[in-house]
Order: sequence, then structure tokens, then C-alpha cells
Amino acid sequence: QSALTQPASVSGSPGQSITFSCTGTSSDIGDFDYVSWFQQHPGKAPKLIIYDVSSRPSGVSDRFTGSKSGNSASLTISGLQTEDEADYYCSSSTSNFTVVFGGGSRLTVL
Amino acid sequence: QVHLIESGGGVVQPGRSLRVSCAASGFSFSTYGMHWVRQAPGKGLEWVAVIYYDGSKKYYADSVKGRFTISRDNSKNTLDLQMNSLRVEDTAVYYCARGRIFGVPPLFDYWGQGTLVTVSA
Repeated sequence: QSALTQPASVSGSPGQSITFSCTGTSSDIGDFDYVSWFQQHPGKAPKLIIYDVSSRPSGVSDRFTGSKSGNSASLTISGLQTEDEADYYCSSSTSNFTVVFGGGSRLTVL
Repeated sequence: QVHLIESGGGVVQPGRSLRVSCAASGFSFSTYGMHWVRQAPGKGLEWVAVIYYDGSKKYYADSVKGRFTISRDNSKNTLDLQMNSLRVEDTAVYYCARGRIFGVPPLFDYWGQGTLVTVSA
């Protein structure tokens, strides 16, 4: 159950688009379309922003989009806003009925 | 609306046991899989365990297998995590999170506020 690989930090300026990567294996991301993304502000519980690779829960801005290719997934935030500054985590189902998270990426809005 | 409220956290010595609970409301608890996810101080999220909607199956992370037990009481809308043989590295905020209706794959669309478990001598 190795963690999914995410870059430790990502930065961008207001209005820009940025993309987070999440790399797994053929036993998790590559084998299931159950990739999710979470946003977590300091001291708060995580918030689901993308599920099933590219679906958005009700109330989540369409500035957030998800995709997957092979053993990797991506989250793109367009029109970056200061309130987007947070930690972002990916997760995936695995072949042994467990779940694996990425190590998280900290977004800094410059 | 959906509410998940954890309780039972605290300070415990290494090797001892602790039980944390999650009270659910605002949805049909007995039809959803439920998960525990933890987060060590300053660290990332780590999935801990899942229990099917009817309690028929349970799966655990390797790091807790054989020490932790997930259970649920659908008559009381509660989810529990019994933690035995606790280690310093189990120190974390423990969150309960809702899974998928009647389904196996995770969803995590609702989270509790978390309860802090500190394992220290």
C-alpha cells in the first residue's frame, strides 16, 4: 500500500491555471476509475472536490476539473483564486479493496 | 443535512487501547459504507479501514491490521474503531468519512471534524 505520488508544492498567480499530478500504479489508479481529489484548509476536515476521476459534487466550482491517463491522474484549477490556497490530496481504490492517498500538494497562490 | 461527529479521542500510553466513535445523522446510515481516515500532526491523510453498509466485510490498512477493529451499529447510527496495542506512530486526528451507498468504492463526500488520539508515555 504505497502512497500515491504528488509534488510537495505547487504555486501560481491569481487568474492562472495550475495542474496537480498524482501518480500511482496498475494496481490502483491504472485499474480503477475511482480517483478522488480533496481540498484541505489548515485546521479543517478535507473536502471532496472531484470523485470518480472527473465528477464534481454539487456546490463545487467548475473551475476544478479532473482527468486520468494510465497510472496517473490530474487536477486542474483554472482562474486561480486566493481562497484556493490549501493542501490537495488525491486518492484511489486499490486491487485489494483498500484505499490509498497521495502525500498531498500544498498550493501557494502568489 | 449530513452530520458525522467523532468522539473518544485522548491521550493513551503505548501498548494500551482506546475506542473512538462516530455518530451519524441526516442520512440513511445503514445503506452506506463507512471509513476511518487519519492524519498525523503536520502530515498527510492515511486511510485506516472500511466497513460495508451491512457490516459484512471489513478491510484495513496494513499499518493497523491485527490491531484495529472497525464496527458499526446500524440501530444506533454509530461507527466505532477499537484500537489495541497502540503505538506512538498511531498519534493522529481520526476522521470518519462516508462511503458509497450500497457500494464498495470509496467516496468520502462527508467527513466529521475529527478526534485527536495521542499515544505517548
